[in-house]
Amino acid sequence: DTGVSQNPRHKITKRGQNVTFRCDPISEHNRLYWYRQTLGQGPEFLTYFQNEAQLEKSRLLSDRFSAERPKGSFSTLEIQRTEQGDSAMYLCASSLGPALETQYFGPGTRLLVL
Amino acid sequence: AQSVTQLDSQVPVFEEAPVELRCNYSSSVSVYLFWYVQYPNQGLQLLLKYLSGSTLVESINGFEAEFNKSQTSFHLRKPSVHISDTAEYFCAVVRSGGYQKVTFGTGTKLQVIP
Repeated sequence: DTGVSQNPRHKITKRGQNVTFRCDPISEHNRLYWYRQTLGQGPEFLTYFQNEAQLEKSRLLSDRFSAERPKGSFSTLEIQRTEQGDSAMYLCASSLGPALETQYFGPGTRLLVL
Repeated sequence: AQSVTQLDSQVPVFEEAPVELRCNYSSSVSVYLFWYVQYPNQGLQLLLKYLSGSTLVESINGFEAEFNKSQTSFHLRKPSVHISDTAEYFCAVVRSGGYQKVTFGTGTKLQVIP
């Protein structure tokens, strides 16, 4: 068990550019979540996958955001035409099974949009 | 929808003193309750959780939290803190019986003073 990994750990980009983040969950976990955390706030739910199916998207996830989990293993989160307001820590978590199960978080990807 | 309130954004406390971090939640349905901890430059880690049964739950490092349904609270306590407890603590709630969209509070930074 190597834990949840996220890449890159840091990303600086210019406004208007596209960025893509990757999350590798714990291998046997079928559920994967993306959260966003801004300074002084707790993590906010963005979206959730069970295997390859994206089951819910938050209203925070505008049409510039897209997430995929093509084979039910790793996931990618893409932000198109980045804005300064997208600057945040993007967290990925995974879990095995239903709501009783603990979510394990990755270290996050810190995005800074200039 | 569920919500979590952590009224104290920062709590300074001397080493070996007791501490209480407050958490209140709002929900129209039954919930599961969690405390997560984020040490400096690390990812979120589950500290303890309440699912059902005994309303007092404990962590392996001496923290405890008590679920109080009538007061809709889940305060975190430790009788004697250590320097290593310096971290940010997040209270979180999940609707029971559903999938795992976790709603986090805004966090409380615990600063242990030597």
